[in-house]
Amino acid sequence: GIQVEQSPPDLILQEGANSTLRCNFSDSVNNLQWFHQNPWGQLINLFYIPSGTKQNGRLSATTVATERYSLLYISSSQTTDSGVYFCAGDTGGFKTIFGAGTRLFVKA
Amino acid sequence: NAGVMQNPRHLVRRRGQEARLRCSPMKGHSHVYWYRQLPEEGLKFMVYLQKENIIDESGMPKERFSAEFPKEGPSILRIQQVVRGDSAAYFCASSPGDAPYFGPGTRLTVT
Repeated sequence: GIQVEQSPPDLILQEGANSTLRCNFSDSVNNLQWFHQNPWGQLINLFYIPSGTKQNGRLSATTVATERYSLLYISSSQTTDSGVYFCAGDTGGFKTIFGAGTRLFVKA
Repeated sequence: NAGVMQNPRHLVRRRGQEARLRCSPMKGHSHVYWYRQLPEEGLKFMVYLQKENIIDESGMPKERFSAEFPKEGPSILRIQQVVRGDSAAYFCASSPGDAPYFGPGTRLTVT
């Protein structure tokens, strides 16, 4: 089955810093999404981004479908950005496969 | 349009009891998915259902777990005779046929 690799696995940032999270897929994917799971466990949709670039406030994402990767950019990080960031996608079926996540901690 | 609703949000069961987790999909969504997240791990697919039909249950443990999505009412994930290893967050998602929208999850603790 498809493999989803996220890097880095862990990231510590000083408040105000920028970061880039990466997601690699072993095969072509559909319906690529990025999620943020906050420290209370709630899963929040950040982006639906099968290709191209999208921006939402301090966050933006870029997917290069032909090269099977996606990037999530966080600018001017805040403590509320802490949590786990997951990317996920499917291969044309209905099983959305999740990566293991990037665990982010933003220090005040 | 309310999002995907799950209840209860937290559920505590003793070993051997039954756990029932409910999921109400978004309005107009006929596809429901259940995922399990063990501590410190990503979400793993369990089962995909459409109204009154199980389409794929390849991620479901073979015993004690069952799921349904009746014609009326929410989807139910049922775990019989729970064990400590069932402690996890269970997420439901729904879709109209493309990208899924996830609910807030039910955190099951087995004591």
